Amino acid sequence: DGGITQSPKYLFRKEGQNVTLSCEQNLNHDAMYWYRQDPGQGLRLIYYSQIVNDFQKGDIAEGYSVSREKKESFPLTVTSAQKNPTAFYLCASTPRGQGYGYTFGSGTRLTVV
Amino acid sequence: KNQVEQSPQSLIILEGKNCTLQCNYTVSPFSNLRWYKQDTGRGPVSLTIMTFSENTKSNGRYTATLDADTKQSSLHITASQLSDSASYICVVSQGSSASKIIFGSGTRLSIRP
Repeated sequence: DGGITQSPKYLFRKEGQNVTLSCEQNLNHDAMYWYRQDPGQGLRLIYYSQIVNDFQKGDIAEGYSVSREKKESFPLTVTSAQKNPTAFYLCASTPRGQGYGYTFGSGTRLTVV
Repeated sequence: KNQVEQSPQSLIILEGKNCTLQCNYTVSPFSNLRWYKQDTGRGPVSLTIMTFSENTKSNGRYTATLDADTKQSSLHITASQLSDSASYICVVSQGSSASKIIFGSGTRLSIRP
């Protein structure tokens, strides 16, 4: 079955550490996105990529980095510069632009310990 | 400012009852509106998509309406089931540009037996 796989489901980070969240899709979608979800708030866009080797900052990119070396993969690194990283992170993909509707992964919950 | 506002923030109803969730938006130019269902700890799953010319769309016990003149949408759930307990998120696309997706903060629905 086609879909998006995020791993790990739960991740714990110590202060000052960088951590990387994995996102892999086998839907042959061109565009991929990373969102952050906090309780009581709408999803906020961190980064997006419409094509391999190209990506753009979203609304809250500070403290995060991404790469898009393969069409199928769009990993997100949460760096030590991100002061409040505890959140639920969602990866999504679309065939083309965002207007075509998302397929979401099942999410990664990141907690700072 | 482009915004999507949902009401109520949370709702508790008894199993078997109907309910209606509201979404008001100020996004312009409007492209489409989607309703997503998000189970706790999971990624959102699309329920319906509506374009400017569509007034009503159904997906099983879920019926979405759209009034493009007043910029309002509703999601009606008929004969609720325990599995309907989830957050319901209204998402509006602005034109077809990438990163122009605005998420509502969701309505948390709890179904009690």
